[in-house]
Amino acid sequence: GENVEQHPSTLSVQEGDSAVIKCTYSDSASNYFPWYKQELGKRPQLIIDIRSNVGEKKDQRIAVTLNKTAKHFSLHITETQPEDSAVYFCAAGPARNEKLTFGTGTRLTIIP
Amino acid sequence: GAVVSQHPSRVICKSGTSVKIECRSLDFQATTMFWYRQFPKKSLMLMATSNEGSKATYEQGVEKDKFLINHASLTLSTLTVTSAHPEDSSFYICSATDRTNYGYTFGSGTRLTVV
Repeated sequence: GENVEQHPSTLSVQEGDSAVIKCTYSDSASNYFPWYKQELGKRPQLIIDIRSNVGEKKDQRIAVTLNKTAKHFSLHITETQPEDSAVYFCAAGPARNEKLTFGTGTRLTIIP
Repeated sequence: GAVVSQHPSRVICKSGTSVKIECRSLDFQATTMFWYRQFPKKSLMLMATSNEGSKATYEQGVEKDKFLINHASLTLSTLTVTSAHPEDSSFYICSATDRTNYGYTFGSGTRLTVV
């Protein structure tokens, strides 16, 4: 089955700086890579996703890059704000509607 | 957008009793539901996948007789934790998809505490 590793487990960034979270996956059949943001006690919220036929995708301050050959993908948050503080999960799966395997999460803290 | 309602949000039960958690898709037909378990400060661990009208497929290590999943309609799936023990205390969360228009849509989660 799929195995997703995520680093770092915790990350503290000064407000306004950039944050980068990295994930690797093992199953070459995975073609869909979403990122979720989860606040304490709340449901995960999809913030951005990328499919294997695309190398990079950007949505305002958030971007995701994918290297399918190396089986790794990264989340980039620029101009960080206090409200970006949360736990972020990467995930991998065969398609958008199929079973997803989640990474172990990164607790991001933005320091004002 | 797609909405999945999950109830209850919190439940406390005594050891040995059973607890039922419901997930409803409010504005789409959830042909597939995924049930996850999340320990404090940990990742989401997939417990089982259920397709409407058929038996759930459980992940390795998940006891199907303890975690009963029913997906009898296109809008409702239930997870019943039977004979609950304190180690079953966790955050349980569902996710639904109609396999076409709507991808993973998470419910709001249920925090189960077994005392």
